Amino acid sequence: AQKVTQAQTEISVVEKEDVTLDCVYETRDTTYYLFWYKQPPSGELVFLIRRNSFDEQNEISGRYSWNFQKSTSSFNFTITASQVVDSAVYFCALNDYKLSFGAGTTVTVRA
Amino acid sequence: DAGVIQSPRHEVTEMGQEVTLRCKPISGHNSLFWYRQTMMRGLELLIYFNNNVPIDDSGMPEDRFSAKMPNASFSTLKIQPSEPRDSAVYFCASSSDRKMNTEAFFGQGTRLTVV
Repeated sequence: AQKVTQAQTEISVVEKEDVTLDCVYETRDTTYYLFWYKQPPSGELVFLIRRNSFDEQNEISGRYSWNFQKSTSSFNFTITASQVVDSAVYFCALNDYKLSFGAGTTVTVRA
Repeated sequence: DAGVIQSPRHEVTEMGQEVTLRCKPISGHNSLFWYRQTMMRGLELLIYFNNNVPIDDSGMPEDRFSAKMPNASFSTLKIQPSEPRDSAVYFCASSSDRKMNTEAFFGQGTRLTVV
């Protein structure tokens, strides 16, 4: 069974638009951690943000923000005022006892 | 720190040959992970080690795949014999906590092509 679901396969926006990426996860554990990673065209996987299951406070870090809702098992990620350099594949990941990734969402930001 | 180092970056081999992928984790990290990335299956966890001991190898696709971690600074993933369907990018990652409440840091990956 898929533990992390990213329903959006591709998103295309014009520069300066906001982009919200959806992530829904499934776990039986009460303690777990959620992550977002970015994979630019160069191929490396870059850590962006982390959230643990006990902290539902939503945060903003620069142009990134996230919305964690335990009741709906969702961990959405928003890029504000997108830039061309944000074009990449974004992965949501869940660690309950091992780190599982979603299928990824390809974000294309057009100038 | 140089980060997680993988070698080689690219490998092209003929079907039936043995392939060995190498990984040097970040110094001080005690968890190491091998992932495989393909278009069809995305990022799959193959195996992970904690303190050099394999904890979960349920993702290893078949007996042709094996992984070792002889010490805290080195791990290998071996495919013998290799098949064209093994073509993928293989990532190694390390983290500093078994329960991974810290992020995993990934290497640059090894792009394997089996012809």
